[in-house]
Order: sequence, then C-alpha cells, then structure tokens
Amino acid sequence: DAEITQSPRHKITETGRQVTLACHQTWNHNNMFWYRQDLGHGLRLIHYSYGVQDTNKGEVSDGYSVSRSNTEDLPLTLESAASSQTSVYFCASSSSGRNEQFFGPGTRLTVL
Amino acid sequence: DAKTTQPPSMDCAEGRAANLPCNHSTISGNEYVYWYRQIHSQGPQYIIHGLKNNETNEMASLIITEDRKSSTLILPHATLRDTAVYYCIALPVSGAGSYQLTFGKGTKLSVIP
Repeated sequence: DAEITQSPRHKITETGRQVTLACHQTWNHNNMFWYRQDLGHGLRLIHYSYGVQDTNKGEVSDGYSVSRSNTEDLPLTLESAASSQTSVYFCASSSSGRNEQFFGPGTRLTVL
Repeated sequence: DAKTTQPPSMDCAEGRAANLPCNHSTISGNEYVYWYRQIHSQGPQYIIHGLKNNETNEMASLIITEDRKSSTLILPHATLRDTAVYYCIALPVSGAGSYQLTFGKGTKLSVIP
C-alpha cells in the first residue's frame, strides 16, 4: 500500500546543530508539505512544494529549508537548531489540485 | 477562507452514531467543506469533503444543508478508536496546488464504552 513515512520518529539534539528530518511518500503526489504543531498554536505551515525543484515558504519558514530533488522526498533541514524549534513536525502530501492531504506519523524533535 | 465554528467537545456512546456539527455561514460558492481528525499523538487524517451534495465514504457521511451554511459529519457506529479531535474547514479547490490546512480548535469527540 502507498504510504508516507517520516524519520526519525524522535530526535534530541543540541542548540546550534544542523538537523534533517526525512519525509518519503509512495503515492506519487506532486504536492508535499511540512507543518509543525505546538500546544496553543495548532498546525503551522513551514514549507511546501508543488513539484520537483519547486519550494515555497510557509508562515513559519525562518530557520528551516527544504529541497525537492525527486517526487517522493521532501527533507526538512534546521540550519542551526534553536530551543524554539522544539515541536512535533508533520509531513503531508496531496495530489495536484486536491486539498485532501495525507499526513505522516510525525517526528518529535527536542532541542536542548 | 470561510470561518467555521464547532462545539468544543461532545460525548458519544460506543456503537451509536456520532453527529458532529459545523457552522460555516460565510462559505463562498467555490469553497468545499473538508473534515479531518487527529487522534492523540498521530498525524491529522483526512475524512471526507463535499460541496453541496451529501457525501458518504467508508469512514463517514457528510450532510450539507441546502443553504450550505452548516454541515454535519456522521460516524454511523462510533468506536473507541474514533475518539479524536475533529476539524471542519472550508477551502476552495486550487488549480494545481493545495491549500494550507489551518485548523481551528475543533471538536473533541470522546467515545464512551
């Protein structure tokens, strides 16, 4: 069955380190998204991509970057991790022109 | 995007139908009603969407009023695994992309044994 996976599921890192969170989907979806979810803030969009080589900033993109070199993967990089980036990160994907987004299981990131 | 209003919480007995209401009185003609849910510690899950006709899939039914100002998500036989926060949002359909999902506080559904 097609699916969307994220790795690692849990990560503890130190302030200032570079961290990359992986997202892989096997639906052949053109659209991919990264969200973070914090208590009191709900889901907030970090970056999104509508296809290979396309990336766009979301509402909370500072300190994060993405690259889309193929259809299946959209890795999220924290350039220099900060304690404010402690959160649960969700990756999602959807078909072109569709708002039905399918989410991964999430990565819980702790920055000490 | 139209604002949606949902009750903060509801209880439902296991095996009974759960009817979750949503008001979207400012919805525009090109906006669909989408329902998602989030079970504790899991990613959000798409349930169903509709424009103006009632819709049914393997998970739920969606009833949209004729004036499209409100809708009801129906889980016909609720189980304990349906305990989750349910979100109703209104979104237009985009050309090639997909819209950012912005959830409000949703309805916390508790299915009681």
